[in-house]
Amino acid sequence: EVQLVESGGGLVQPGRSLKLSCAASGFTFSNYGMHWIRQAPTKGLEWVASISPSGGSTYYRDSVKGRFTISRDNAKSTLYLQMDSLRSEDTATYYCATGGTHYWGQGVMVTVSS
Amino acid sequence: DIQMTQSPSSLPASLGDRVTITCRASQDIGNYLRWFQQKPGKSPRLMIYGATNLANGVPSRFSGSRSGSDYSLTINSLESEDMAIYYCLQHNEYPYTFGAGTKLELK
Repeated sequence: EVQLVESGGGLVQPGRSLKLSCAASGFTFSNYGMHWIRQAPTKGLEWVASISPSGGSTYYRDSVKGRFTISRDNAKSTLYLQMDSLRSEDTATYYCATGGTHYWGQGVMVTVSS
Repeated sequence: DIQMTQSPSSLPASLGDRVTITCRASQDIGNYLRWFQQKPGKSPRLMIYGATNLANGVPSRFSGSRSGSDYSLTINSLESEDMAIYYCLQHNEYPYTFGAGTKLELK
């Protein structure tokens, strides 16, 4: 059974950093691209970043480029999102999803507030 | 960026109705279009991929179609469990972009 479990969320002050993790199981993690997708409270879905199976290619939405870093450790079957210089507008539930978006994690809440 | 214009934003319907939700792409995206269902407090669920293909476990009353730059999700014979918010997603090019969502609710 495919499982994606996010962790690392919480309350953080503007300008600070947070690192999200997504532990994958039930499939060959190293064969699949992965995504981070977020959803602000009461708002729609927003794609954040993607990474290729090897980790050699990464893609970001403009509003997080230079502040967020997506990475992966295929030996640990884990996806990461390093979030620096956080802003209030980054407040959202963050989901990791497999490349085909067939599988999603349960989401982790990130609140950026002073 | 490719804009996905989704309509309607709200869709009141009765059980047993046939309903259609549409997304219009601002540029050519081929068939790189997916539909998701999201219920309150839950993660999105993939319903349709490749514009017309039913994802695993999705009931056959759901279907996807394409006419030019218009992509549609149709639900035949609406059931209570179908009440949710539906989103389209284009994944033809980065940045991937979602439609704004359609809230399907009981009339």
